Amino acid sequence: EVHLVESGGGLVQPGGSLRLSCAVSGFTFSSYNMNWVRQAPGKGLEWVSYISSSGSTIYYPDSVKGRFTISRDNAKKSLYLQMNSLRAEDTAVYYCARGQYHLDYWGQGTLVTVSS
Amino acid sequence: DIVMTQSPDSLAVSLGERATINCKSSQSVFFSSNNKNYLGWYQQKPGQPPKLLIFWASTRESGVPDRFSGSGSGTDFTLTISSLQAEDVAVYYCQQYYTIPRTFGQGTKLEIK
Repeated sequence: EVHLVESGGGLVQPGGSLRLSCAVSGFTFSSYNMNWVRQAPGKGLEWVSYISSSGSTIYYPDSVKGRFTISRDNAKKSLYLQMNSLRAEDTAVYYCARGQYHLDYWGQGTLVTVSS
Repeated sequence: DIVMTQSPDSLAVSLGERATINCKSSQSVFFSSNNKNYLGWYQQKPGQPPKLLIFWASTRESGVPDRFSGSGSGTDFTLTISSLQAEDVAVYYCQQYYTIPRTFGQGTKLEIK
């Protein structure tokens, strides 16, 4: 059975940093492209980043480009999101999700709160 | 960026009746070289992550009941629930994966009338 488990969320001050992790099981992680998607409280979904199976191709939307870095460790079956220069508008539940195009499996999410 | 606009924002339908949600993209998400529409539909229940229902605009994900169907092409798409069940109460999102950045519609909240 496919499982994705995010961790690393919490309360951080504006301008601070946080590193999210997503541990996966139940599929061959190294064969799949991965994403981070976030959802602000009571709001809709926003795609945050994409990484190819090998890590060679990475994309971000303008809202996080230059501040967030996606990475992966295929040996550890883990996906990461390094978030720097955090802003109040980055407050959200962050989901990791599998897929090159449509996203077929999602984790339960981890809450990031940016507040002083 | 491709803007995805869903209508309506909310919808109340009686049990057993048909529910229809529309999604319009600001530019075509149809790729002629493979004849595919790069469009997916997701269902999100309270306190849960989104769940993939439909991909390539009309292909039902494994395990999704056949009362859910997707249609449309180019810029106009529809998610139809043929006979609403109580467990279908949720927010539904469309998403284009034709270009970067991937973008979602604002969501449609479906309730029981």
